[in-house]
Amino acid sequence: AQTVTQSQPEMSVQEAETVTLSCTYDTSESDYYLFWYKQPPSRQMILVIRQEAYKQQNATENRFSVNFQKAAKSFSLKISDSQLGDAAMYFCAYRSAGGGADGLTFGKGTHLIIQP
Amino acid sequence: DAGITQSPRYKITETGRQVTLMCHQTWSHSYMFWYRQDLGHGLRLIYYSAAADITDKGEVPDGYVVSRSKTENFPLTLESATRSQTSVYFCASSDWGQGYNEQFFGPGTRLTVL
Repeated sequence: AQTVTQSQPEMSVQEAETVTLSCTYDTSESDYYLFWYKQPPSRQMILVIRQEAYKQQNATENRFSVNFQKAAKSFSLKISDSQLGDAAMYFCAYRSAGGGADGLTFGKGTHLIIQP
Repeated sequence: DAGITQSPRYKITETGRQVTLMCHQTWSHSYMFWYRQDLGHGLRLIYYSAAADITDKGEVPDGYVVSRSKTENFPLTLESATRSQTSVYFCASSDWGQGYNEQFFGPGTRLTVL
């Protein structure tokens, strides 16, 4: 079974600065997907960014980018120019590439605080 | 409304009672999922379904029952609720095929078992 570990229960960053959230995972599979989800106080789960394991290039979505290190099984999220609206819980998640029936395996989350 | 909806949004019940949480999606997605979210655990998969009448257990299925008679609906039943089932429950759906098949989440149901 796969496991996902987020070692930072809480992170704090000044508005407009850059913050990196850590995620490591354990799997014996070679093909899989990794995701970062944002959960604001509204509880809605929002997909922030995804990475296909077979792609070496790191994914980028506007101010959000990842550092994907497949050999190290590491998948960190970098948020540049932090904004107050970025304050939320962030979850790292893993899914096998075996097909759509595979559920997501989540980490325990990192609570991100943005200091004005 | 288009998308994925859950009802009720909040529910308080007592130990031993049967509770059903509803999930409805309008995209005709093949796959549907139920997760529970607890402090310190993130989200954990309870059950999933690949199509109507096809369901399977996830990581934490004990105490739960699911059915899927129609593609768009995936109810989750707690046959005899326990306090340990107090949690926030999320339903999700995704399409099938090649690619990462993004899972779309409902707004969640907060269940309290007294």
